Amino acid sequence: AQSVTQLDSQVPVFEEAPVELRCNYSSSVSVYLFWYVQYPNQGLQLLLKYLSGSTLVESINGFEAEFNKSQTSFHLRKPSVHISDTAEYFCAVTRAGNTGKLIFGQGTTLQVKP
Amino acid sequence: GAGVSQTPSNKVTEKGKYVELRCDPISGHTALYWYRQSLGQGPEFLIYFQGTGAADDSGLPNDRFFAVRPEGSVSTLKIQRTERGDSAVYLCASSPRERVGGAGEAFFGQGTRLTVV
Repeated sequence: AQSVTQLDSQVPVFEEAPVELRCNYSSSVSVYLFWYVQYPNQGLQLLLKYLSGSTLVESINGFEAEFNKSQTSFHLRKPSVHISDTAEYFCAVTRAGNTGKLIFGQGTTLQVKP
Repeated sequence: GAGVSQTPSNKVTEKGKYVELRCDPISGHTALYWYRQSLGQGPEFLIYFQGTGAADDSGLPNDRFFAVRPEGSVSTLKIQRTERGDSAVYLCASSPRERVGGAGEAFFGQGTRLTVV
């Protein structure tokens, strides 16, 4: 079975500052990893994913995450945040090759202050 | 439609009543998922359909919960004898079977907020 731990429930940060949202997972088999974002009053949206290949993956709006197998981590980073990045961020895992369920972390609220 | 549609968006019901929550997936998506999100928590898996059949229902909490997808498109999540602890946002997602990432590349609806009073 897989599990996900998001180490911070809330991360306050000033605009244009860098940010890292931490995610650790547990699994005895190969996994796929994902970050989802939920903006206020909107549904979950896929932000980025790691399936295989390069361990550094990027999103179209400047976020990146690095798959670290030895540390079982998939931390999300952005070098300079905007007010519009304020949202709830969820890390999720599924067994590689599995088309079934996602296991989500509890979420991290990113609060970007002016 | 352009995305996953869930109706109603809000549902308030009395304890002990029966409710149905509907999910209309993206056209052509064969995989459909139901999740439940309680306040302050991440989504929790309930059930996964591949076509008309439930491929994995291991997340359904008890026999009061049941879901169907009779024609391989629209799905209904049914909750009998509702309890206050069933209050949550119920999310539906769909994906094409051929997606490499499988469940992780699913598209989510905005959810149905169920409140049991």
